[in-house]
Amino acid sequence: AQSVSQHNHHVILSEAASLELGCNYSYGGTVNLFWYVQYPGQHLQLLLKYFSGDPLVKGIKGFEAEFIKSKFSFNLRKPSVQWSDTAEYFCAVNANSNYQLIWGAGTKLIIKP
Amino acid sequence: KAGVTQTPRYLIKTRGQQVTLSCSPISGHRSVSWYQQTPGQGLQFLFEYFSETQRNKGNFPGRFSGRQFSNSRSEMNVSTLELGDSALYLCASSLSQMGDEQFFGPGTRLTVL
Repeated sequence: AQSVSQHNHHVILSEAASLELGCNYSYGGTVNLFWYVQYPGQHLQLLLKYFSGDPLVKGIKGFEAEFIKSKFSFNLRKPSVQWSDTAEYFCAVNANSNYQLIWGAGTKLIIKP
Repeated sequence: KAGVTQTPRYLIKTRGQQVTLSCSPISGHRSVSWYQQTPGQGLQFLFEYFSETQRNKGNFPGRFSGRQFSNSRSEMNVSTLELGDSALYLCASSLSQMGDEQFFGPGTRLTVL
């Protein structure tokens, strides 16, 4: 069965620090990959997605993610975080022929001002 | 454009009762997915509907059911409630394909006593 692992459940950083959140999935076929974010008190929203092409994708608010097929990974990065990045981040994977998203457990990110 | 709406926002039920949750997707969106969110578990996929047809179903017992109407509005029903059904139930809509961005509603917080 497909699964998605997010390695860190809680991450605490200071402003201006660099961020990398890990995401690994288990599925050998073609996948679509997503990062969603949930800011405090807000709905889940799409941060970025990968379908095909350039494995380095850029999303909103300066976030980017790199798809490394050989490692089954889709890590989220941001060079310099801000206090407003405090949120919960979810990685999700969809196998190309499937109509469901498999989600990681989420990573709660706290940015200290 | 109005977002995804879910009603009711909060529900308190007792074990053995049943409950119906409603979701109105964004206008023009034909796909509706339902998720159960619990702390530390991320989002668990319940089912996805498109044009009144269930296209995929997650690993939940038969007590969880859903349907979609011709106007794309969707309902999910949980019968014979158990304490473990306490969770945030999220609805997400998208245009049509699984890879399309999903837009989430605020969720219905169900508490089973």
